[in-house]
This record gives sequence, structure tokens and C-alpha cells, in this order.
Amino acid sequence: GAGVSQSPSNKVTEKGKDVELRCDPISGHTALYWYRQSLGQGLEFLIYFQGNSAPDKSGLPSDRFSAERTGGSVSTLTIQRTQQEDSAVYLCASSAHSNIRGSPLHFGNGTRLTVT
Amino acid sequence: KNQVEQSPQSLIILEGKNCTLQCNYTVSPFSNLRWYKQDTGRGPVSLTIMTFSENTKSNGRYTATLDADTKQSSLHITASQLSDSASYICVVSVTNAGKSTFGDGTTLTVKP
Repeated sequence: GAGVSQSPSNKVTEKGKDVELRCDPISGHTALYWYRQSLGQGLEFLIYFQGNSAPDKSGLPSDRFSAERTGGSVSTLTIQRTQQEDSAVYLCASSAHSNIRGSPLHFGNGTRLTVT
Repeated sequence: KNQVEQSPQSLIILEGKNCTLQCNYTVSPFSNLRWYKQDTGRGPVSLTIMTFSENTKSNGRYTATLDADTKQSSLHITASQLSDSASYICVVSVTNAGKSTFGDGTTLTVKP
């Protein structure tokens, strides 16, 4: 079946503009995660959605970052007033259950964001 | 604070040789540990999962070990191939929490 799909694959934007990144998780997966990966660095947790529970937003770096998940499926990550330090690859992952049950994370190939 | 540390940061080996990557963690309470492989420009893919009671698990040429007492895991790659060139990420999950703790990864380069 189809894996996690992210769009766009690449996005170049000017400093100060808003951007929206989209994630289509695997159908039926209840958990959805957003991570950020700067060049040559590890994955940085941003936000986690699990079913109808309130999302865990503890990793969002500033109030310019927000995310929503509509209908328990598609998710969008929005970055307002982008800054050059926001340049990174934004990865989305979904899993059948939250990690306490050992389900693997299935990652998309990410959106490479470049802020000029 | 939950932490996952991986070593070495990077490694270069010749095709056909073996190598071992290390992962030390302070995550508690421990639920499971996964090793992921991330090819350049792609998202990570799960290689293997280790739970508390498991010491060794193999997946083809990849063998993961876990010592829950010392909180250490290793990933051994046998007879390396050029396609093994990637970043290998150790991820530890805790009970009663939805998100996991990621190591920074080991970048492996296999040269012909």
C-alpha cells in the first residue's frame, strides 16, 4: 500500500513569508508526528497527534509554528513569518499506535524548506 | 533527562568488511529500542526493534543487541555493501509516552 506522502518535496520561500507543509499518513494510522532535521543533524521532535487527544506541542520552537490534523488523517504544518534558521528538512511520520505498543514509525521523504 | 548517545559519529569502511555501531541511553522507563536506516534524501526506515527481554535480533546482515542492565545497544553489519551507506539512528521509547528519544545517528560510508 501507499506510504506516508509529503508535499511539496522542496519549497523555497523568502524570509517573512508563510509556508504550509502537508502530510498524508498511512490510512488507519492513529498517531502522526512532525520532526525537523537540519543539515547533518539528528531529528528534532516538533509535535505529535494521537487519535482525538490533544496534540503534544512541546517540541514546537516558537509560536510561529503550528500544526493541525483534520479528520484524524491529513496534517499540515504551518510556519509563519519564516526565518533563515527555519531552513531544514521537515519529516512526517505515522504509526498504527502510539510508541508504547512498539509500532514502528513510517516516515515520509520530507519537505526540504529553504528560506532565502 | 532522557538521552540517547550514538558512537561513532561517522565511520568509513571498505566494502565486504564488518562494523559495529553503538547506542547508549538513559531513557526510563524503557519500553523498546529501534534502529532505523536513513538513506540520503529519504525518511528513516525501521530495521529492528528490541524489547526489554530480548538480547539479540537479526534482520539479514544486520544484528542488533541489547543489554538492558548497562543500557547499551549495538548494531552489527556483516559483509557490508555499498548500499549500506546511510545514517543509522537509534530510537528509544518509554512507557506511558507517545514520543520517542532519537540519537543523532552514525553516518556510515562504505567504499569500494
